[in-house]
Amino acid sequence: AQSVAQPEDQVNVAEGNPLTVKCTYSVSGNPYLFWYVQYPNRGLQFLLKYITGDNLVKGSYGFEAEFNKSQTSFHLKKPSALVSDSALYFCAAHNKYIFGTGTRLKVLA
Amino acid sequence: GAGVSQTPSNKVTEKGKYVELRCDPISGHTALYWYRQSLGQGPEFLIYFQGTGAADDSGLPNDRFFAVRPEGSVSTLKIQRTERGDSAVYLCASRSSGRGDTQYFGPGTRLTVL
Repeated sequence: AQSVAQPEDQVNVAEGNPLTVKCTYSVSGNPYLFWYVQYPNRGLQFLLKYITGDNLVKGSYGFEAEFNKSQTSFHLKKPSALVSDSALYFCAAHNKYIFGTGTRLKVLA
Repeated sequence: GAGVSQTPSNKVTEKGKYVELRCDPISGHTALYWYRQSLGQGPEFLIYFQGTGAADDSGLPNDRFFAVRPEGSVSTLKIQRTERGDSAVYLCASRSSGRGDTQYFGPGTRLTVL
């Protein structure tokens, strides 16, 4: 079965430190990979996407992600975390309508 | 410009009742998606419209669920004979023409079936 996995339910990081939220995928064909952020009682907000081209994609709010075909991964990263980054993050493979289960990021002051 | 809007924001109904959930996509967006998100889970695909037609309805869980988009803009998700297990947040998203284009999500409708 095709799937998107986010192996960590929660990630804690100190403010100012780099953060990584992991995502791996198992889909047929070329994946269209997306990251979204969800704040409490809000809809999903788009952060960034990989369709084709450069494996390193940069998105909103200083986030970036690297597409790694050999490891079938698309980890989300940010060099310096902010307390305001605390939220629920979802990885998705849009051409297959599949979302991961989400990772709660907690940035500690 | 205006984003995707969904009404109502909250809906409480009794088991066995019929409900309709409405989605107004971004103007000009040809594709529209419905998802269901249960607590602690990621969005689960229900149905995808391209224009007025359902291009993929493989995610609808059973025949109690139905969706329409008669004029290629507003869409309504209809649930008959609601069950307690239907309680979730129903999300709508729209995108413009390319499959790699971004889906823009609405705030969702929280459905509670008592």
